[in-house]
Amino acid sequence: ETGVTQTPRHLVMGMTNKKSLKCEQHLGHNAMYWYKQSAKKPLELMFVYSLEERVENNSVPSRFSPECPNSSHLFLHLHTLQPEDSALYLCASSPFPVELDYGYTFGSGTRLTVV
Amino acid sequence: QKEVEQNSGPLSVPEGAIASLNCTYSDRVSQSFFWYRQYSGKSPELIMSIYSNGDKEDGRFTAQLNKASQYVSLLIRDSQPSDSATYLCAVLGAAGNKLTFGGGTRVLVKP
Repeated sequence: ETGVTQTPRHLVMGMTNKKSLKCEQHLGHNAMYWYKQSAKKPLELMFVYSLEERVENNSVPSRFSPECPNSSHLFLHLHTLQPEDSALYLCASSPFPVELDYGYTFGSGTRLTVV
Repeated sequence: QKEVEQNSGPLSVPEGAIASLNCTYSDRVSQSFFWYRQYSGKSPELIMSIYSNGDKEDGRFTAQLNKASQYVSLLIRDSQPSDSATYLCAVLGAAGNKLTFGGGTRVLVKP
């Protein structure tokens, strides 16, 4: 375990469903991130939270809704997704600002399939 | 121009040989650079970080940074089949608030 826990590990949902991804970190970090990883594409930053405040939203469609109730927990609420949203969703945490020799710690990811 | 560029590979390397991976970046004031290894279906794990020009060694891995050329590389010595993975280059921008990733280089070490 890396200290960043994501649940569920796998999720299959229909286009009309509503589901949530959960991320929890036990590293005492004060920044958390959502990334999307699609096949043959670079990791795409979706959201950045620092001290529970959203500091970046990378033009993500509104069908993805993040929530950060405290510095240890991060959620990604999903509704009316499209098949092209199928991907590996990765949560990461770090000190903020990001330290020069530390980078991020990633969770194990949620493999999402939209049918 | 992509912010962080890597050759997608695959880079095929005989077991015991040196694998050489390259990464270029566009933001001249980038602060620090990271190499992550990602096995298929798994999440990235940090293997090296470097923020000063020159070489940094950790076991079989050596990271090399040339800020003037905006170039960072990773050498894997005595490559093992277990090194077969995708290697992601990541760059910390001047603001220090996020990493930007390259597309990754797939490495295949053949016994």
